[in-house]
This record gives sequence, C-alpha cells and structure tokens, in this order.
Amino acid sequence: GNSVTQMEGPVTLSEEAFLTINCTYTATGYPSLFWYVQYPGEGLQLLLKATKADDKGSNKGFEATYRKETTSFHLEKGSVQVSDSAVYFCALGGGATNKLIFGTGTLLAVQP
Amino acid sequence: GAVVSQHPSRVICKSGTSVKIECRSLDFQATTMFWYRQFPKQSLMLMATSNEGSKATYEQGVEKDKFLINHASLTLSTLTVTSAHPEDSSFYICSARGMGLAGTGELFFGEGSRLTVL
Repeated sequence: GNSVTQMEGPVTLSEEAFLTINCTYTATGYPSLFWYVQYPGEGLQLLLKATKADDKGSNKGFEATYRKETTSFHLEKGSVQVSDSAVYFCALGGGATNKLIFGTGTLLAVQP
Repeated sequence: GAVVSQHPSRVICKSGTSVKIECRSLDFQATTMFWYRQFPKQSLMLMATSNEGSKATYEQGVEKDKFLINHASLTLSTLTVTSAHPEDSSFYICSARGMGLAGTGELFFGEGSRLTVL
C-alpha cells in the first residue's frame, strides 16, 4: 500500500541555516504530494504541494520537488527563521477519495 | 484560507464515559470530513471518512461502534468516543474538504482535540 517515510526529528538549527527534511514515498499510480506544517498550538496548514512528477511546490521560502525517479519530495529552505519552528508533515494523496497518508512528522526547532 | 474549528480543544473524562468532539467548517461547506488520530511521535492515522448525509466509512481496525461519527450538515461533523478507556487517550484531528476541491487532495484541518481518559 501507499506509505510515506519521513526523517525523524527533532531537527535543531540556528537562524539562517539551510534546512532539508527528507521525505520518500511508496505509491501506486500518480499521487499528489504535500507538505503540511503545524505551528505550536495550531492545526495543520498546507505549506506546499506538487501534483505531478518534476513539479516544484514553493511557499514562504520553502521548496520541494516531486522526484518520481527517487520517489522523494524533500523539503528545503535556504535560510530558516525562528518563526519556522514547527512540526512538518509530508503526505501523499489525492484522487477521488482525497485520503491523505502522512509521514510521522518532523519537529524543527530554530534557535536565534 | 478556509477555517475548520474543533471543540473542545482539551477534554478530560472518567473511564466508561462518552465524549463528543465537534468539527465545524466556519466559512465553507464541507462535503467530506476526515477524522485522524495522532499518537505521540507518530503520524496521523486516518480513522474514518464522513460524507454529509451518509454513513461514515471506517478504516480497517477502527471500531465503528466505539468511534461514532455523524455528519449531519455541510458544516458539522461529530466524533463520539463511547465508553472511553485510558487507551483511547490521544489527539484527535478533523479535516474537511470543501466543495469544488474534489481530487486536489487539499484539506483544511482543525486545531485538534486532546482527549485524556482517567
């Protein structure tokens, strides 16, 4: 079945450091891929998405490219801020059922 | 973006009692809502899919008599944990898909409800 594997956290970085959170997936067909973010005390919010191979999703300085050959959707940001501290979830899904399958989430802590 | 609200955000109850959690879409009509359960340091586990006006579809291994889901209107879905026990303690999250977003996979999430059963 479909699954998502996400790097374990927590990830602790200094402000302005480069961020990579790895995400790989197993899926049949051609799912859409997503990154959701959960800030402390809040619900999950869609950060970015890609709906087909080679698509690049981007938002708020974050980027992720849908790589079919490596079944990956790694999240990157060139310079993190303290305000980026949150839990990041990689997910796959879409289609008629709209079911999302999530990774375990990665806690990012950015220190000033 | 669209807003989904859950209530209560935290609830503590005694073992054997039932607890109801509400999920409301505040500024859009949600044809489909999803209920997730999140364990510490684990991914969100989809429990069930509810469509307005019909019975919920439960994922394998989820007891439908234990977790009652009702989606009586386009803006409200409820999850009732019946005869709760300590092992039901968890973080429950709902999400909703608005009309017109079919097939995109984009969902809007509530803030979550933390249930603690004593």
